[in-house]
Amino acid sequence: GAVVSQHPSWVICKSGTSVKIECRSLDFQATTMFWYRQFPKQSLMLMATSNEGSKATYEQGVEKDKFLINHASLTLSTLTVTSAHPEDSSFYICSARGGLTGNTEAFFGQGTRLTVV
Amino acid sequence: AQTVTQSQPEMSVQEAETVTLSCTYDTSESDYYLFWYKQPPSRQMILVIRQEAYKQQNATENRFSVNFQKAAKSFSLKISDSQLGDAAMYFCASGAQKLVFGQGTRLTINP
Repeated sequence: GAVVSQHPSWVICKSGTSVKIECRSLDFQATTMFWYRQFPKQSLMLMATSNEGSKATYEQGVEKDKFLINHASLTLSTLTVTSAHPEDSSFYICSARGGLTGNTEAFFGQGTRLTVV
Repeated sequence: AQTVTQSQPEMSVQEAETVTLSCTYDTSESDYYLFWYKQPPSRQMILVIRQEAYKQQNATENRFSVNFQKAAKSFSLKISDSQLGDAAMYFCASGAQKLVFGQGTRLTINP
């Protein structure tokens, strides 16, 4: 299968600072990228969907000004957690798909564990 | 709104035996897809099997097969000849463009 690389794998930051997480599709063009958040022993919660070159679509309850998503190219999407607080500590996972619908498989990055202290 | 429900938080099976994980879903979309993903301790999401909703034939991938009952909105996963490496969290997911995940089932394989 195709490879999606997410970086960093883990990060610790101070409260009030911003953190950027990168998601790259290494061997295909990702028309659509998804960002998820996963709390311990819980499911994946979709935060937002981004299509290359357009603004991300955020799920209800997700603060778009806090979680900035940029999908500037067909191989890179970034999630920036701005003014991070301890409650933002979580596991963040990206997913990338080469097409618009589920007829093309979505591949997942390895995830980023964010700890805000 | 889409919902996916996995009613079994935990399941266990003896090595080499067969186990079935349950999943029900609800969607207003007419054209959608169903997936089972495996998440081992590394937390990397791995696609196990995929089913197109418009296909009546149940998908199979080696030891993994599904029982897709569209009218009942049911999509169970059967793992045959369970192996120790099958131990993981299993998530059912549904959707067309974006995926909605169930709560997950933790599968333990007893040697």
